[in-house]
Amino acid sequence: GAGVSQSPSNKVTEKGKDVELRCDPISGHTALYWYRQSLGQGLEFLIYFQGNSAPDKSGLPSDRFSAERTGGSVSTLTIQRTQQEDSAVYLCASSTGTITEAFFGQGTRLTVV
Amino acid sequence: AQRVTQPEKLLSVFKGAPVELKCNYSYSGSPELFWYVQYSRQRLQLLLRHISRESIKGFTADLNKGETSFHLKKPFAQEEDSAMYYCALRRAGFNKFYFGSGTKLNVKP
Repeated sequence: GAGVSQSPSNKVTEKGKDVELRCDPISGHTALYWYRQSLGQGLEFLIYFQGNSAPDKSGLPSDRFSAERTGGSVSTLTIQRTQQEDSAVYLCASSTGTITEAFFGQGTRLTVV
Repeated sequence: AQRVTQPEKLLSVFKGAPVELKCNYSYSGSPELFWYVQYSRQRLQLLLRHISRESIKGFTADLNKGETSFHLKKPFAQEEDSAMYYCALRRAGFNKFYFGSGTKLNVKP
């Protein structure tokens, strides 16, 4: 596609439910990143994929968070047993490698009620 | 450990005034520095990077390794510059980006 696509754009879920957030990177981009943007907190790194493997998942806040990437393309971020503090905008970005910038999606706004 | 610090959460200036958004980093190696901007209801996008040494929308940023800074400057702010600005660092040869907490720039008419 023309850019990084994320779905859904908005998600409201009840506390305790599981949610899946999807990211379609730019075709051919080998690196994929997930960040979380909370009000007043800036961008919090969650996980980074190179191809299908995740060499750095140090930013995942708890074991309720997991992510996978298949076929070197689409990635899914799963949050189990959501809590109110999980409410934030989840951003996905992709890049071709170490010499280019990261291109961001529009984000998924998650609200846990 | 790598860290990017943006000391100002909010910066308000009048149209036509100079603006400087501060960014300091901690990294002992060779960093790549970037400024990203997020306009209202738009996605985060690259504004400029230090290796390009370019001016985008009148903005410039110089990497000062001695002071470990990469401040973003514009001599005459415009209302359309109002946005959220993020400074980011990437270690040369690595993919992970480290972002600062962001500075909201408000340019008043």
